[in-house]
Amino acid sequence: DSGVTQTPKHLITATGQRVTLRCSPRSGDLSVYWYQQSLDQGLQFLIQYYNGEERAKGNILERFSAQQFPDLHSELNLSSLELGDSALYFCASSVATSGRDEQYFGPGTRLTVT
Amino acid sequence: AQSVTQPDIHITVSEGASLELRCNYSYGATPYLFWYVQSPGQGLQLLLKYFSGDTLVQGIKGFEAEFKRSQSSFNLRKPSVHWSDAAEYFCAVGGIDKIIFGKGTRLHILP
Repeated sequence: DSGVTQTPKHLITATGQRVTLRCSPRSGDLSVYWYQQSLDQGLQFLIQYYNGEERAKGNILERFSAQQFPDLHSELNLSSLELGDSALYFCASSVATSGRDEQYFGPGTRLTVT
Repeated sequence: AQSVTQPDIHITVSEGASLELRCNYSYGATPYLFWYVQSPGQGLQLLLKYFSGDTLVQGIKGFEAEFKRSQSSFNLRKPSVHWSDAAEYFCAVGGIDKIIFGKGTRLHILP
């Protein structure tokens, strides 16, 4: 158990809908990262937050947004969903923002868009 | 800019055989290097990491990796694989302020 929790575990929704994925980092970790993992694209970094502020952006679509709240939990919002958005979405956390900070991964949310 | 390459998408080895998974990185300074493992349906778990010092690092589950600066490599090894080692393995390189993950190598084990 990494100490990172993600809810829900599974999500099935229809095209055009909007969903919110939730992540609670390990106690004491200030950074939260979101990743998308699909069979064809592999593990893709989406976005990072540090202590409530956006820190880095990766291959995140404009239809996707995220935020980190004062209690450090984070939410990833996916809107106007398309079939291609079906994937595993991982949240990870780390103590800070250095490249030497190990990232601890949650179990993921499996999103299926039908 | 940082980058990391895992040249093998799939590797198949027999149970009990030795294993080496390749990882090459690109970074201007001494990087921070990591290997993660992802079992089916699970999140990624850290196997081992290298920051400095001894270039041969030991990790969990009997894995080790060797940092070779001259080859810009950080290959993962295990002397004898078990069926439970079947998983996807990710190499990652950390710079000043971020970690980049490779695309992963899926390991298959033959009984």
